[in-house]
Amino acid sequence: GENVEQHPSTLSVQEGDSAVIKCTYSDSASNYFPWYKQELGKGPQLIIDIRSNVGEKKDQRIAVTLNKTAKHFSLHITETQPEDSAVYFCAAMGNTPLVFGKGTRLSVIA
Amino acid sequence: KAGVTQTPRYLIKTRGQQVTLSCSPISGHRSVSWYQQTPGQGLQFLFEYFSETQRNKGNFPGRFSGRQFSNSRSEMNVSTLELGDSALYLCASTSGGAYKETQYFGPGTRLLVL
Repeated sequence: GENVEQHPSTLSVQEGDSAVIKCTYSDSASNYFPWYKQELGKGPQLIIDIRSNVGEKKDQRIAVTLNKTAKHFSLHITETQPEDSAVYFCAAMGNTPLVFGKGTRLSVIA
Repeated sequence: KAGVTQTPRYLIKTRGQQVTLSCSPISGHRSVSWYQQTPGQGLQFLFEYFSETQRNKGNFPGRFSGRQFSNSRSEMNVSTLELGDSALYLCASTSGGAYKETQYFGPGTRLLVL
């Protein structure tokens, strides 16, 4: 079945700097890759997703890139703000339900 | 549009008891998926229901079961609770037309088994 690895597990950045979180997946049939943000006491909230017919997608300060050949995808957050502090999860879906990475705890230091 | 709602938000049970959790999807959504979230294992898929039928099942023991009603609301049940069942249980809904649609999560039910 699908296996998703996510790195790093924790990430601290200064406010205004960029943050990058990377994920790899194992199932070449996967073709949908969402990213979720989870704040304390809340459920995961979708922040951006990408499908395999697209290599990059951007939404304001957030971007996701996908390399299907290498089976990895990344989340980029630019101009980080304190409210970006949260746990971020990547996930992959192909012929199976969503499989999540273990999460990255992002801390943005003011 | 109201989001996914889950009740109760917090629950404390003792080993051997059973528990039922409820999830109301976004209006118009017909698919509900359940996940278990723990610090050690992360987010793990339990099962998915679409139009009152279980469409997919994760790798969990038979003590975990679910159902979906005609109004798309879903319940999950855990029987003979074990300490390791302590977790945040999340449900997510989609319109259900195809697998690869955005899943919208509820706030979760935090279950503590003593």
